[in-house]
Amino acid sequence: EIVLTQSPATLSLSPGERATLSCRASQSVGSYLAWYQQKPGQAPRLLIYDASYRATGIPARFSGSGSGTDFTLTISSLEPEDFAVYYCQQRSNWPRDTFGQGTKLEIK
Amino acid sequence: EVQLVESGGVVVQPGGSLRLSCAASGFTFDDYTMHWVRQVPGKGLEWVSLITWDGRNTKYADSVKGRFTLSRDNSKNSLYLQMNSLRIEDTAFYYCAKDLARLEVATYFDHWGQGTLVTVSS
Repeated sequence: EIVLTQSPATLSLSPGERATLSCRASQSVGSYLAWYQQKPGQAPRLLIYDASYRATGIPARFSGSGSGTDFTLTISSLEPEDFAVYYCQQRSNWPRDTFGQGTKLEIK
Repeated sequence: EVQLVESGGVVVQPGGSLRLSCAASGFTFDDYTMHWVRQVPGKGLEWVSLITWDGRNTKYADSVKGRFTLSRDNSKNSLYLQMNSLRIEDTAFYYCAKDLARLEVATYFDHWGQGTLVTVSS
C-alpha cells in the first residue's frame, strides 16, 4: 500500500500570502497525483490532477508540481475562500487509491 | 451543469443492509466510470468502489470487498451501492463521484454529490 503523508497538518496564513502544501508518497507514484479542496459541510473539489494540471474552472493561483514521491500544491496569493482542508490522492496503484490525511489551511 | 444526488443514508444496525442511490444529470452518464468515496465525519477520505461506464467492471476497497456491490442503470442515469453485513466502522458520509476521464478509468474525481450519511449503530 502506498501511504501519502501531508505536511504540515495545519498551516496558518493571512490573505494575500503564499501557501505551500506538501504531499510525500511512501514509494513513487510517477505523476499520478491529485489535489482536492474541501470546505466545511461540502464535498471535495478537484483542483489539480496528474500532479500539475488544473481542473476545469480552477483559478490560476493554484498550481501543482512534483513527481515520484514529493509533490507540492502552491496557492500564490491566498483569497478568503481558499481557507479549507486540502487532500492529496494518488492513483498509481489503482484500484488501491489512497488519500493523504489532509492539511488544514486556516486564517492567521 | 453536472449534478450528482445521493440518497438512501439512514441509521442501520450492525449486520444490516442498505442500498444507496445516486442520480446523475448534466453529462453523458454512460460515458463515465463512477465511484463511491466515503468520509467518516471530521476525518479523511477513503475510496470505496468504482464501476466502469458500461457496467462490465467493478472494483472495491479491501475494507468492503465481499460486502458491498456496485451497479448502475444507464437507462436511468443512476448508480446503486448495495451494502450488506454493515459494520460500525462503515459509518460515514458516502459520496458519489464522477471520474475525470471519458471512456477510461482515471480514478480522479471531478464532480461529487453532496453526500449521504450512513450510521451503523445498535
